[in-house]
Amino acid sequence: QEQLVQSGAEVKKPGASVKVSCKASGYTFTSYDLHWVRQATGQEIEWMGWMNPNSGDTGYARKFQGRVTITRDTSISTFYMELSSLTSGDTAVYYCARTSDYLNAFDLWGQGTKVIVSS
Amino acid sequence: DIQMTQSPSSLSASVGDRVTMTCRASQSISSFLNWYQHKPGKAPRLLIFHVSSLQSGVPSRFSGLGSGTDFTLTITNLQPEDFATYYCQQSYSIPITFGQGTRLDIK
Repeated sequence: QEQLVQSGAEVKKPGASVKVSCKASGYTFTSYDLHWVRQATGQEIEWMGWMNPNSGDTGYARKFQGRVTITRDTSISTFYMELSSLTSGDTAVYYCARTSDYLNAFDLWGQGTKVIVSS
Repeated sequence: DIQMTQSPSSLSASVGDRVTMTCRASQSISSFLNWYQHKPGKAPRLLIFHVSSLQSGVPSRFSGLGSGTDFTLTITNLQPEDFATYYCQQSYSIPITFGQGTRLDIK
């Protein structure tokens, strides 16, 4: 069964960093790009960036450039998204999702990770 | 960045009804338009990709149309499980962008 399983909820102080993991199973890890999106309560879904797990190439939304880093560990089929210099505006549910060249759509999603930034 | 605008922002309907919602892109996105269903506490679910292709396992009461900048999602014979928020998303260019959503409520 194809799955993306994310790490658990986090509570962070302003200025801190958070690292969320996304473990892939049930499919060939290197066959699909992996994206990160987030959604604050009542807000739009916001795309943050992506990674090609084959090449390690990444791309980030301008809004998050310099603050977000996507990495992967192919030995354990896991992706990571690290967001630094957190503010209350980063409080949101963060999702990983995969795409394929054929679909150009997010066909498999992680369950979401709630990140709360509060002093 | 390509802006995606959905309308209406919310609509009310009854079980068995037919509803249509629209999505407009700020520039042509060819057929790189996808639709998702999102329920509280769950991950979004892909319904339709490439404007009108039904994702595996999605009931045929969901359908999509459009091209260029204007797109629609239609749900016929609404079922109780269809009440959710629906998002369109363009995959034509980076950054990927989503519409603000159409919330479908039970009347």
